[in-house]
Amino acid sequence: GAVVSQHPSRVICKSGTSVKIECRSLDFQATTMFWYRQFPKKSLMLMATSNEGSKATYEQGVEKDKFLINHASLTLSTLTVTSAHPEDSSFYICSAGPSGRTETQYFGPGTRLLVL
Amino acid sequence: AQTVTQSQPEMSVQEAETVTLSCTYDTSESDYYLFWYKQPPSRQMILVIRQEAYKQQNATENRFSVNFQKAAKSFSLKISDSQLGDAAMYFCAYRSFGANSKLTFGKGITLSVRP
Repeated sequence: GAVVSQHPSRVICKSGTSVKIECRSLDFQATTMFWYRQFPKKSLMLMATSNEGSKATYEQGVEKDKFLINHASLTLSTLTVTSAHPEDSSFYICSAGPSGRTETQYFGPGTRLLVL
Repeated sequence: AQTVTQSQPEMSVQEAETVTLSCTYDTSESDYYLFWYKQPPSRQMILVIRQEAYKQQNATENRFSVNFQKAAKSFSLKISDSQLGDAAMYFCAYRSFGANSKLTFGKGITLSVRP
């Protein structure tokens, strides 16, 4: 149980285009999901907290208009990188935990984004 | 705000030996969770072990155990009988109680296992 999926696993896009990344909780409902960014051999940097049915909460320094988050259902959150540029190239990871339970977050397998 | 410190960037262990990874944290809260996550080369984050702060007993999961010292705010991970598959990056993480609380990660430590 407690499986989180992400799609796509990797994506290459041209500079200026937008890319959507999906995060799904497969066997549980998640009121809250989290989006992280990770550079090679570095720690996870929290970008935003995705809340079902309401606006996401962004961490300081994260551009809301650049990284659009939508949490339309209890099993799906999406991160859209708008007008992507090479500096947006990174590894993006989502996490989620069962609603009402605060203990453990389960992580998706991540999405590698390369912007050319 | 809570902080998590992993001061050792890299460690190495001989296969079948035991290794301990260090982690300290800072918080003013009395109830919280502590975690060790493993990130192998695939980059999939895998939960290794979880400790609830209100529990005095140290958590254990097979070859993995922790030494949780609440007063000292220390949370080390011991890996016994190290295996080649244990080679990975390991992150210590803190989480407050509460459904929307976020994880605070340390910088991580890269563990290599020598055959």
